[in-house]
Amino acid sequence: GDSVTQMEGPVTLSEEAFLTINCTYTATGYPSLFWYVQYPGEGLQLLLKATKADDKGSNKGFEATYRKETTSFHLEKGSVQVSDSAVYFCALTTTSGGSYIPTFGRGTSLIVHP
Amino acid sequence: KAGVTQTPRYLIKTRGQQVTLSCSPISGHRSVSWYQQTPGQGLQFLFEYFSETQRNKGNFPGRFSGRQFSNSRSEMNVSTLELGDSALYLCASSKGTPTTNEKLFFGSGTQLSVL
Repeated sequence: GDSVTQMEGPVTLSEEAFLTINCTYTATGYPSLFWYVQYPGEGLQLLLKATKADDKGSNKGFEATYRKETTSFHLEKGSVQVSDSAVYFCALTTTSGGSYIPTFGRGTSLIVHP
Repeated sequence: KAGVTQTPRYLIKTRGQQVTLSCSPISGHRSVSWYQQTPGQGLQFLFEYFSETQRNKGNFPGRFSGRQFSNSRSEMNVSTLELGDSALYLCASSKGTPTTNEKLFFGSGTQLSVL
């Protein structure tokens, strides 16, 4: 079946450091790829997405590129802030009987120190 | 515009009991899906409803069930609770149908603790 593998956390960085959170996937067909963010006590929010190979999703300084050849969708940000501290989930959707079913990674906790 | 509302926010139950969780989607959203989030398994898809019909189901036992009402509000029920059912249950709504790959909007979840 489909699966998403993320690097284990927590990832601990100082403010203004460069961030990379690795995500690789296994899926049949051509999935759409997503990054969601979950702040403490809240539900998930869509951060960015890419629907086909070589697409780059971006939002709030975060970027991720859909790499079909390496089946990866790594999340990057050039300069993190304390407010970026949260749990980040990589996800994909594939179709099953015509419906889109999401598969999530286990999440990577990011802690940013001032 | 109000977001996805889940009630209650916290629940404590004992083994063998049953529980019902409620989810009110964003106005105008007709698809509602449910997820179980645990530290060990991460976020797992439970089921999805559209037009009062269950369209998809994840790999969970029959103790987990749900329904959707004509106003798109949804409930999920877990019967004969087990310790392993302790989790954060998240509901998400989307604008489209299950056959369109629409953005999901999540509620803050219901934290269920089974003692």
